Amino acid sequence: ETGVTQSPTHLIKTRGQQVTLRCSSQSGHNTVSWYQQALGQGPQFIFQYYREEENGRGNFPPRFSGLQFPNYSSELNVNALELDDSALYLCASSYRRDNNYGYTFGSGTRLTVV
Amino acid sequence: DQQVKQNSPSLSVQEGRISILNCDYTNSMFDYFLWYKKYPAEGPTFLISISSIKDKNEDGRFTVFLNKSAKHLSLHIVPSQPGDSAVYFCAASVTRGGKLIFGQGTELSVKP
Repeated sequence: ETGVTQSPTHLIKTRGQQVTLRCSSQSGHNTVSWYQQALGQGPQFIFQYYREEENGRGNFPPRFSGLQFPNYSSELNVNALELDDSALYLCASSYRRDNNYGYTFGSGTRLTVV
Repeated sequence: DQQVKQNSPSLSVQEGRISILNCDYTNSMFDYFLWYKKYPAEGPTFLISISSIKDKNEDGRFTVFLNKSAKHLSLHIVPSQPGDSAVYFCAASVTRGGKLIFGQGTELSVKP
């Protein structure tokens, strides 16, 4: 297993800018989800992609968008950054087969908006 | 609307004793429950899960109990070890493979 890797690990952006976070999912895992974890909170679901199409979305505005690629990598894009977007962004890959599935999380990207 | 709640932000336990972490939920449609452990600067690591058709699942030192009528689950760690010190999150999903709803986390500290 190759695990889930996220890049960059840390990032500082200015309010109003745009950011792209990247995730390389575990080989063979065709579902990827993105979560936002604010300080002192549990991760909050942003959206999920299955076979390169969005397959569920949480309570986040449209300026949060994503892509999933055939090689199991994915991106989270955030436009018009706000101070409250400062958080740890986690990518999780999962594989569905019958009733067996699980999620593997990356170490996250710590985004700071100033 | 917090569908999954961990009401204890922190828990301190002596090494060798039992750690009990609790989680309550409100959505009766949740079908699958998971516990994750998180160290600083790392992503959540899967510990143990339980399907709604079961009331107990064991894996080594970790046991998860599910009480569907009370909408409550708990994680028991026996015996607790200093390396167990971390933040523990419970999570739930309506469908397997679907989005996870996380609690706020409980920080466990195991004292030598």
